[in-house]
Parts: sequence; C-alpha cells; structure tokens
Amino acid sequence: NAGVTQTPKFQVLKTGQSMTLQCAQDMNHNSMYWYRQDPGMGLRLIYYSASEGTTDKGEVPNGYNVSRLNKREFSLRLESAAPSQTSVYFCASSALAGGLADTQYFGPGTRLTVL
Amino acid sequence: QKEVEQNSGPLSVPEGAIASLNCTYSDRGSQSFFWYRQYSGKSPELIMFIYSNGDKEDGRFTAQLNKASQYVSLLIRDSQPSDSATYLCAAPGGGFGAGTRLTVKP
Repeated sequence: NAGVTQTPKFQVLKTGQSMTLQCAQDMNHNSMYWYRQDPGMGLRLIYYSASEGTTDKGEVPNGYNVSRLNKREFSLRLESAAPSQTSVYFCASSALAGGLADTQYFGPGTRLTVL
Repeated sequence: QKEVEQNSGPLSVPEGAIASLNCTYSDRGSQSFFWYRQYSGKSPELIMFIYSNGDKEDGRFTAQLNKASQYVSLLIRDSQPSDSATYLCAAPGGGFGAGTRLTVKP
C-alpha cells in the first residue's frame, strides 16, 4: 500500500516549457487535491476533484490545468511555465466525495524550479 | 483574507515545556478542524482533528476548540526535540493556515 505517489520528485524547467505532474493514490479515495507550498505562504489549493469526473478551481488556479484521469489518478499540467510557479507541489487525497471536508493524505511532493 | 489564520512564529521552547500553538478562523459554520505536522522537507501528516467544543487529548497532544471565540489551539506537553516541525491548522473548505514553526531545544 503506497498511499499517495507523485512523479517526478524534482524538476527544472525553462520559462515557457510545459510539463505534467503525475499523482496516484491506492486508497480508493474519492477526492484528490493539488497544492503548492511557498515559504511563508502555507499550502494553497490549486485545483481539487471532489469525485471522479469532476474538477474545481481552488485559491490559485491561474496557469494550471488538471485532469482526473480515473479514480486513482489526478494530474496537474503547466502549459507555459513561469518563474512564479517555482514551488513545492503536493498532491493529496481524502476518502469522502465532495472534497475539503475530511482528513487529507499527502504525497511526498515535487520540487519544481522554473528558470 | 484567508479563512484560517495562524501566528507564523517561529516558536521556540525548551525540552520538557508545554508548546502552545494557536489558530483563528472566520467561518462560524466551520464544524471541525485538523492539525497537521510537517517536518522540514517532508509532506504534512495529520496528528489530530477536533469537531466539538472543548478539549481532545491524544497522548502528549491536546486540541482545544472554542467556537464562540472562533479559535482552535494545539498544546504539546513534555515537548521533545523530535516535535520540532511546522504545525498547520486546517478547516474543511477554509484551507490551511500558514503554519507555525516550532523548535524544541534540548
């Protein structure tokens, strides 16, 4: 039982490049989330998926897109990376459908640097 | 303004002391709160949740919720150097606070 896994662990991009961060969970959870964490800013919600087939914007969605590929997988895409997107990205999941209401389990994070 | 506010600290206490971490929230409808711990370079992990007024104890940790005053706190008794981490408060739908960095000095 791996919990929540994320790939890659580290990534360096040049401004304007695109990439997709992958996330998968094996806990049969209904809701999944993407956060970014910057020094002094705490965790900020980018997008979440309250159930398979649905996605909703969070606090800071601009510059990102997401896909809930199936119940297990939730990907985050940066279409044209900018230095302001340099951050640590965490994927999380929770058991209940509806999102944001119960305990979240976090992946190990992806450290992204945009030059 | 974030719905959940924390004093970002940092907070430093000597080993064996009580560490007190506080969080305020703006949504009077919030029913439950979560405390997560995050070690440096690691991901957050849940340590406690509380959904009713009063205290909830789990080992050395006590969460306190005061709905009338809209604050929730976490007390760590007999603090250990291994408790040194950032503590994040969260409310359903209200997001996470910025976190309070705690250092326990031997």
